[in-house]
Amino acid sequence: DSGVTQTPKHLITATGQRVTLRCSPRSGDLSVYWYQQSLDQGLQFLIQYYNGEERAKGNILERFSAQQFPDLHSELNLSSLELGDSALYFCASSVGSRAEKLFFGSGTQLSVL
Amino acid sequence: AQSVAQPEDQVNVAEGNPLTVKCTYSVSGNPYLFWYVQYPNRGLQFLLKYITGDNLVKGSYGFEAEFNKSQTSFHLKKPSALVSDSALYFCAVRDSDNYGQNFVFGPGTRLSVLP
Repeated sequence: DSGVTQTPKHLITATGQRVTLRCSPRSGDLSVYWYQQSLDQGLQFLIQYYNGEERAKGNILERFSAQQFPDLHSELNLSSLELGDSALYFCASSVGSRAEKLFFGSGTQLSVL
Repeated sequence: AQSVAQPEDQVNVAEGNPLTVKCTYSVSGNPYLFWYVQYPNRGLQFLLKYITGDNLVKGSYGFEAEFNKSQTSFHLKKPSALVSDSALYFCAVRDSDNYGQNFVFGPGTRLSVLP
């Protein structure tokens, strides 16, 4: 067990809808990272937060947004969902902002029908 | 920008034989290199890292990796493979000079260890 908790484990929704994925980092970790894993794109970095502030941005669509709350948990919001958004979304955490070791959650499997 | 290549989609090896999973990288500064493993229906797990020092790095579960600066490679190795090593392996790189920037993961290599 990595200590990173992601909910829900599975999410099935329809095109055009909006969903929220939740992540609780390991105790003491200040950084949260979001990744999207799909068969055709591999593991793509979306965004990083450190102690409540956005620290790095990757291939995140404008329809997607994230935030990290004062208790350090993070939420990834996906809106106007398309079929191509179906993927496994991982959250990872690390102690500092320049991570040398990431701890991954088990992921949220999103299916857009 | 940094990038990672894993030239083999799939590696098959017999149990008890040595295994190698290949990785090459490109960064503008000094590389921080990592290997992660993903078992079915699980998140990625850290195996080992190279930051500085000895070119041969030892990690979890008997795995090791060799850093070769001239060839920009960081191949993962294990002297004797186990069936339980079968999983998806990811190489990752981070540029040490890039504050706040994230890891870049390779496409992954599926390792199958045959009994």
